Amino acid sequence: AQSVTQLDSQVPVFEEAPVELRCNYSSSVSVYLFWYVQYPNQGLQLLLKYLSGSTLVKGINGFEAEFNKSQTSFHLRKPSVHISDTAEYFCAVSESSGYSTLTFGKGTMLLVSP
Amino acid sequence: DTGVSQDPRHKITKRGQNVTFRCDPISEHNRLYWYRQTLGQGPEFLTYFQNEAQLEKSRLLSDRFSAERPKGSFSTLEIQRTEQGDSAMYLCASSKLRGFGTDTQYFGPGTRLTVL
Repeated sequence: AQSVTQLDSQVPVFEEAPVELRCNYSSSVSVYLFWYVQYPNQGLQLLLKYLSGSTLVKGINGFEAEFNKSQTSFHLRKPSVHISDTAEYFCAVSESSGYSTLTFGKGTMLLVSP
Repeated sequence: DTGVSQDPRHKITKRGQNVTFRCDPISEHNRLYWYRQTLGQGPEFLTYFQNEAQLEKSRLLSDRFSAERPKGSFSTLEIQRTEQGDSAMYLCASSKLRGFGTDTQYFGPGTRLTVL
């Protein structure tokens, strides 16, 4: 079984500032890692995913994440945020064995203010 | 792709009533998933189908819940004798298994259920 810990429930930040949303996972097997974003009253949209290869993954809307196997982390970063990035961000993990049910963290609310 | 669609988007019901939700996956996606999301939590897995076969059910899926995916196309999730604890967002996702363990799930907008 896997678990995901998102260390911050809420991250306030000013527009154009950099941001990092933290995600740690626990698993006894190899995993795939994902970040999803959820805007108010909407479903989840895939931001980026790590399946294999380069540990630095680039996604949509200028976001990137780095997989660190030794620290079991997959932190999400953006060098300069916009007001429109205000949303809930979810980190998720699935086993890489082919059984791909996602296990999500509790989410981090990113609040971008002017 | 037209995306995953769910119907209805919102449902308000009284305790004890039955409700049914529908999910239409992206065409040609062979996997379909149901998740439940309560306030302040991430989505939690309920069940998934590969084509028409229901391959996994979470312990969260009590016997009041039933899901079907006839002919491997759309899916329905029915909750019988609803309870206030069933109030949540019900999310559907679909994916196409292209290789060993590499499918990516695409989510619908969800159905928000409120049980009074």
